[in-house]
Amino acid sequence: EIVLTQSPGTLSLSPGERATLSCRASQSVSSSYLAWYQQKPGQAPRLLIYGASSRATGIPDRFSGSGSGTDFTLTISRLEPEDFAVYYCQQYGSSPPTWTFGQGTKVEIK
Amino acid sequence: QVQLVESGGGLVKPGGSLRLSCAASGFTFSDYYMSWIRQAPGKGLEWVSYISSSGSTIYYADSVKGRFTISRDNAKNSLYLQMNSLRAEDTAVYYCARAYGDYDEFFDYWGQGTLVTVSS
Repeated sequence: EIVLTQSPGTLSLSPGERATLSCRASQSVSSSYLAWYQQKPGQAPRLLIYGASSRATGIPDRFSGSGSGTDFTLTISRLEPEDFAVYYCQQYGSSPPTWTFGQGTKVEIK
Repeated sequence: QVQLVESGGGLVKPGGSLRLSCAASGFTFSDYYMSWIRQAPGKGLEWVSYISSSGSTIYYADSVKGRFTISRDNAKNSLYLQMNSLRAEDTAVYYCARAYGDYDEFFDYWGQGTLVTVSS
């Protein structure tokens, strides 16, 4: 079973700053099967990035994803007030099919 | 627009049962694979179960296998999760989510969730 470890646990930044979130897999993951979600308090998660680097419908271009193998990154180029939230990475494993999430990174206002 | 609305959550005693429902609208429900995903209070996300568009293919997380049953009624645009032998560790908000991607590897729409509390 692949384990996803996100770091840091909490990121304290100011609006306008750049945020870099890490997701490390315990073994190699196909980049096609790596996604990122945003969750705000009291809300359901929202798909941001799929296939490691493709933005979902309606996601602003300040959000970008990159990486391959075991190391993946979500970058928010300039934080807007609405971006302060918890972010989860997720991978799909095919044999047998399983869907695994990281433990999350909270981006909070400094 | 796509909408997923869960219902059926509540307080149940350990060992008890509960049936969750998810009403789908705004898309052709019978074309999509669906999943249940849960989130314990203050914790991260955990995938629970998955069902193919026809209902013929089903998968469960090891943590719920043998206790939970996923099903769907395409005529009613509805997804279900029958939860038996509930434990305290099943306490969570349960989300239904639409699978997306070539291998249904992501979840592009989620409901607002329904809270299940297992406590005596």
